Amino acid sequence: GESVGLHLPTLSVQEGDNSIINCAYSNSASDYFIWYKQESGKGPQFIIDIRSNMDKRQGQRVTVLLNKTVKHLSLQIAATQPGDSAVYFCAEANAGGTSYGKLTFGQGTILTVHP
Amino acid sequence: GAGVSQSPSNKVTEKGKDVELRCDPISGHTALYWYRQSLGQGLEFLIYFQGNSAPDKSGLPSDRFSAERTGGSVSTLTIQRTQQEDSAVYLCASSRGTTGELFFGEGSRLTVL
Repeated sequence: GESVGLHLPTLSVQEGDNSIINCAYSNSASDYFIWYKQESGKGPQFIIDIRSNMDKRQGQRVTVLLNKTVKHLSLQIAATQPGDSAVYFCAEANAGGTSYGKLTFGQGTILTVHP
Repeated sequence: GAGVSQSPSNKVTEKGKDVELRCDPISGHTALYWYRQSLGQGLEFLIYFQGNSAPDKSGLPSDRFSAERTGGSVSTLTIQRTQQEDSAVYLCASSRGTTGELFFGEGSRLTVL
């Protein structure tokens, strides 16, 4: 089946810098996209989501951008902090499914923030 | 507690044995999901329960896997005749309705020897 994938498996940044994590998706039927953060030994934690009728959505220190033309999703983290160090997963779902919680996850990007 | 609770946190079993993994979702959440996380396959959807509707079992990898949800709350994932490739972290999540904002537990790490 179609899947969501990531361009970069690892990203290292300095504290205070902005981080950008990228994701490519291949299922053109997907209409809902979401980012999760997973810290070591814990379950994934919701960060932010976006529907396909939007190009941009902002949260607290995070922004998700969606480019449907090239099927690309990105997560921007402003003023990255050591506590942001984790694995970040993008995921997608579509309205043809039974639930937006039935997600197809990408492989993940490891973000390391150096003090 | 306020979050999703899973037990056991770690389970080591021998090939061929059956295992049961338990999930207590957040009170009031109508939807419950099981996912599997392994090094080779990433995070995979297994099964989804919503209220009293028939579960969506489309992600279960074989008929050795089954799950039930009793009383619309606690769920048990059962793996029969475990195989080494079943070794993974099994994550349970709950949510309000059909939103994609899932609340995950910390998982049950299964090791099949």
